[in-house]
Amino acid sequence: DIQMTQSPSSLSASVGDRVTITCRASQGISNSLGWFQHKPGKAPKSLIYAASSLQSGVPSKFSGSGSGTDFTLTINSLQPEDFATYYCQQYNTYPPTFGQGTKVDIK
Amino acid sequence: QVQLVQSGAEVKKPGASVKVSCKVSGYTLTELSMHWVRQAPGKGLEWMGGFDPEDGETIYAQKFQGRVTMTEDTSTETAYMELSSLRSEDTAVYYCARVVHTYGSGVIDYWGQGTLVTVSS
Repeated sequence: DIQMTQSPSSLSASVGDRVTITCRASQGISNSLGWFQHKPGKAPKSLIYAASSLQSGVPSKFSGSGSGTDFTLTINSLQPEDFATYYCQQYNTYPPTFGQGTKVDIK
Repeated sequence: QVQLVQSGAEVKKPGASVKVSCKVSGYTLTELSMHWVRQAPGKGLEWMGGFDPEDGETIYAQKFQGRVTMTEDTSTETAYMELSSLRSEDTAVYYCARVVHTYGSGVIDYWGQGTLVTVSS
């Protein structure tokens, strides 16, 4: 199985900050990567697919980049509703696998 | 709009089975694939399986082979995930997820709200 490693595991940030989360695949996955936002007790929300394409309705403050093995998720101008756990997921090869998550909380 | 509405929380004894439902609206099950993902307490997201339209069959994660069955009832637009021989480690929130098949296993775009399954004696 392809291992997905996110860093950092957690970070503290202030409202208005720009944050970047990285995700590394154990082998090349082209651009077959998605990012999800997950808040406690809620359904995960799909943010990005194909490494850099925004899902419908997702604000442009979220952006993704990367290809091959290294990927990033950037959130501009962090707002209170953005504090959550973020997961990457590769879907290049079965089984699809997720990173361990990055918890973004308020500094 | 697209909605995936799951059945309510379940409490089961070890060795029992659980069947979780996911009723969709805003599209039809035959249009796209359904996958299932779970999250145990304090853990990350774990893919369990889903339908692959290229193969025309449901693919299950090796970890759950022989214990999980995923089905669909197109007359009621409801997908089901049944997990048998439950053990305490199966305590988790189970999610259905709609998948758009583009490449590989496909892109998850919508999720159900989750169903908590608690396995306890």
